[in-house]
Amino acid sequence: DAEITQSPRHKITETGRQVTLACHQTWNHNNMFWYRQDLGHGLRLIHYSYGVQDTNKGEVSDGYSVSRSNTEDLPLTLESAASSQTSVYFCASSEKSEYTGELFFGEGSRLTVL
Amino acid sequence: GQNIDQPTEMTATEGAIVQINCTYQTSGFNGLFWYQQHAGEAPTFLSYNVLDGLEEKGRFSSFLSRSKGYSYLLLKELQMKDSASYLCAVVDSNYQLIWGAGTKLIIKP
Repeated sequence: DAEITQSPRHKITETGRQVTLACHQTWNHNNMFWYRQDLGHGLRLIHYSYGVQDTNKGEVSDGYSVSRSNTEDLPLTLESAASSQTSVYFCASSEKSEYTGELFFGEGSRLTVL
Repeated sequence: GQNIDQPTEMTATEGAIVQINCTYQTSGFNGLFWYQQHAGEAPTFLSYNVLDGLEEKGRFSSFLSRSKGYSYLLLKELQMKDSASYLCAVVDSNYQLIWGAGTKLIIKP
């Protein structure tokens, strides 16, 4: 079965360290997204990609970067982790653009920055 | 600014019916999604409405009124497994998804 997987599922790091969260999907979807989810907030878009070599900033992109070298993977990098980046991170993919098709989410990566 | 309002938490009884409301003020409208999210898990798609009216899918139905900026998710014959958060999300005029904070639904026996 096709799926979308994230790793690591849990990560504790220190302020200032670089962290990379992996996202791998076998749906062969062109569209991939990274969100963060915090208590009291809706999902907030960090970065997204509509295909290989395409990346775009979302509403909360400061301090994050992504790269898309193939269809399957969209790793999210925190260049210098800050305590404000403690959150649960969800990767998602969709076949169509996100507003017409359902998003398939990974299981989430819980990141704690101390 | 753009805003999506949902009740923070609701409680209902097993076997009953519950209606979860979502009101939105966004720059334009190009559709509304409902997702279900169990604690500690990923959101999963429930429904998509772009035209006014009621869409029924088994025990779950979703209603949309674009003129009122209003939607609801109706859950019938509640089961314990329906205990989850329900997320409302609107596609704005820039085709960006704007998410509500979600409604935590607690089902009691």
